[in-house]
Amino acid sequence: GAVVSQHPSRVICKSGTSVKIECRSLDFQATTMFWYRQFPKQSLMLMATSNEGSKATYEQGVEKDKFLINHASLTLSTLTVTSAHPEDSSFYICSAGAVAETYEQYFGPGTRLTVT
Amino acid sequence: DAKTTQPTSMDCAEGRAANLPCNHSTISGNEYVYWYRQIHSQGPQYIIHGLKNNETNEMASLIITEDRKSSTLILPHATLRDTAVYYCIVRGYSTLTFGKGTMLLVSP
Repeated sequence: GAVVSQHPSRVICKSGTSVKIECRSLDFQATTMFWYRQFPKQSLMLMATSNEGSKATYEQGVEKDKFLINHASLTLSTLTVTSAHPEDSSFYICSAGAVAETYEQYFGPGTRLTVT
Repeated sequence: DAKTTQPTSMDCAEGRAANLPCNHSTISGNEYVYWYRQIHSQGPQYIIHGLKNNETNEMASLIITEDRKSSTLILPHATLRDTAVYYCIVRGYSTLTFGKGTMLLVSP
């Protein structure tokens, strides 16, 4: 199946700093990438959907100025958590939809963010 | 997308079949039934999906009732590594929306 990678897998940062998480589709071109957040013992919650070359669409309640998403190419999307606070500590997961397979989503392994 | 209902948790003995039910009584004609699973601290893994007919692949079988209001995911010979949260998702042309899923615990 298609492979999606995320980097870093774990990151610890201090409150007030910014953190960038990368999501790459390794063996296919992804027109659409999705960012999810998962708090402990909860399900995945969709944060935003991004299409290559255009602005991301954010879900209700997700601050676009805090969670900056860039989808500059068909194989790379980045999520930047700006001015991170401890409540932003979570498991962030991206997924990618392939150009030729509109409805399939392939998930990355996730990034564990801890804000101290 | 239609809402799904799954049991919170299930247990299964290693080597036995695990049958995970899902109710989706409001499913519409163009919506597929998808199953994903998430092993602890990992990203979700695609298992199988179907529209009307039963489906089988190397991981599992999906049985969809004739009225499409419910389905069952079958892991024919569960192993300890199948312990995970299993998500049943109904979707048409939109993104995947995850519910709470079923926590399957496979024991020796």
